[in-house]
Amino acid sequence: GENVEQHPSTLSVQEGDSAVIKCTYSDSASNYFPWYKQELGKGPQLIIDIRSNVGEKKDQRIAVTLNKTAKHFSLHITETQPEDSAVYFCAATPYSSASKIIFGSGTRLSIRP
Amino acid sequence: EAGVAQSPRYKIIEKRQSVAFWCNPISGHATLYWYQQILGQGPKLLIQFQNNGVVDDSQLPKDRFSAERLKGVDSTLKIQPAKLEDSAVYLCASSLGLATSNTGELFFGEGSRLTVL
Repeated sequence: GENVEQHPSTLSVQEGDSAVIKCTYSDSASNYFPWYKQELGKGPQLIIDIRSNVGEKKDQRIAVTLNKTAKHFSLHITETQPEDSAVYFCAATPYSSASKIIFGSGTRLSIRP
Repeated sequence: EAGVAQSPRYKIIEKRQSVAFWCNPISGHATLYWYQQILGQGPKLLIQFQNNGVVDDSQLPKDRFSAERLKGVDSTLKIQPAKLEDSAVYLCASSLGLATSNTGELFFGEGSRLTVL
């Protein structure tokens, strides 16, 4: 089955700097890669996703890149702000089978003022 | 639009006791999921419903966990008897269902935090 590795587990960056979170997956059948943000006491919320027919996707200050050959995908946050502080989860799944979505272990991002 | 509602938010029980969690998904969402999130880990799927039928319960410890979704709307997750290792946040999520949507987005509730002493 699918296995998703995520690192780092914790990340602290200065406000205004960039943050990068990296994930690897094992199942070559996976073709949908969402990223979720979880704030304290809340459920995870989708912030961006990418499908395997696309190498990069951008939405304002966040971007995701995908390297299918290497089975890597990454989340990039530029110009970080205090409200970016949260736990971020990557995930992977064969799009046709949402029940098989596998989450990474999470990255706790802290933004230093 | 109302989000996914869950209750209770917090529950403390002793081991071997029972507990039940309730979830009301977003109106019109055919698919409902229960996830277990242990502290410091990502959510792990316990069970997925499509309307009122079970799609996947391969990760549900069926000797102690049970779930139902009557009438294809609300759902309850029950644990009986509870063990110490069941301490976690139980997240309910819903989605339109991939058959009718081109997005796989899951909408999560705020979760029910269970502490087993």
